[in-house]
Amino acid sequence: GALVYQYPRRTICKSGTSMRMECQAVGFQATSVAWYRQSPQKTFELIALSTVNSAIKYEQNFTQEKFPISHPNLSFSSMTVLNAYLEDRGLYLCGARDSTGSYEQYFGPGTRLTVL
Amino acid sequence: GDSVTQTEGLVTLTEGLPVMLNCTYQTIYSNPFLFWYVQHLNESPRLLLKSFTDNKRTEHQGFHATLHKSSSSFHLQKSSAQLSDSALYYCALSDPSGSWQLIFGSGTQLTVMP
Repeated sequence: GALVYQYPRRTICKSGTSMRMECQAVGFQATSVAWYRQSPQKTFELIALSTVNSAIKYEQNFTQEKFPISHPNLSFSSMTVLNAYLEDRGLYLCGARDSTGSYEQYFGPGTRLTVL
Repeated sequence: GDSVTQTEGLVTLTEGLPVMLNCTYQTIYSNPFLFWYVQHLNESPRLLLKSFTDNKRTEHQGFHATLHKSSSSFHLQKSSAQLSDSALYYCALSDPSGSWQLIFGSGTQLTVMP
């Protein structure tokens, strides 16, 4: 079956430092990957949409300078939170869609970021 | 822009009673996909139901929902609540013909009491 792994599952970083999180698709080809953030007491916000061999599209309030994303192949994507501050804490989800055109996104378990 | 509205932030009911969580949406797309995701404490969201067919009931794990394009609704229902149903429920919208990312509602916390 289709699975999405994310690591680390939890991470703590000091304010002003950066941390990288990874997303790996297994059992299908992740042509497109969406990164979401669920802040405390809030719903999921789309950060950016990444498609292999295409430009990454960032949503309003999120920038490449703050959340650089790499999507080098059909099974892997990574995102870095640069210069993290308290407002960046939350659960970061990777949602991947396969190349067959299935309309379902497969979510990873998320990376929970705590900023001290 | 597109949006999803879940009017109840918190629903508390007794085990055995029926469940209905409301979801309405706004979109310019004529054939949106609607989803219900369930998120248990400290877990990632899991797909519960999905539909893109007007007026067709979709069911999974005792839950059901029917997409009604006439009223732009996709309410989640279950005939008898179980304690294990306590979780956060998110309704979400996607346009598969264009940008396919999910637009989530604000979520409804369902708490089932014994």
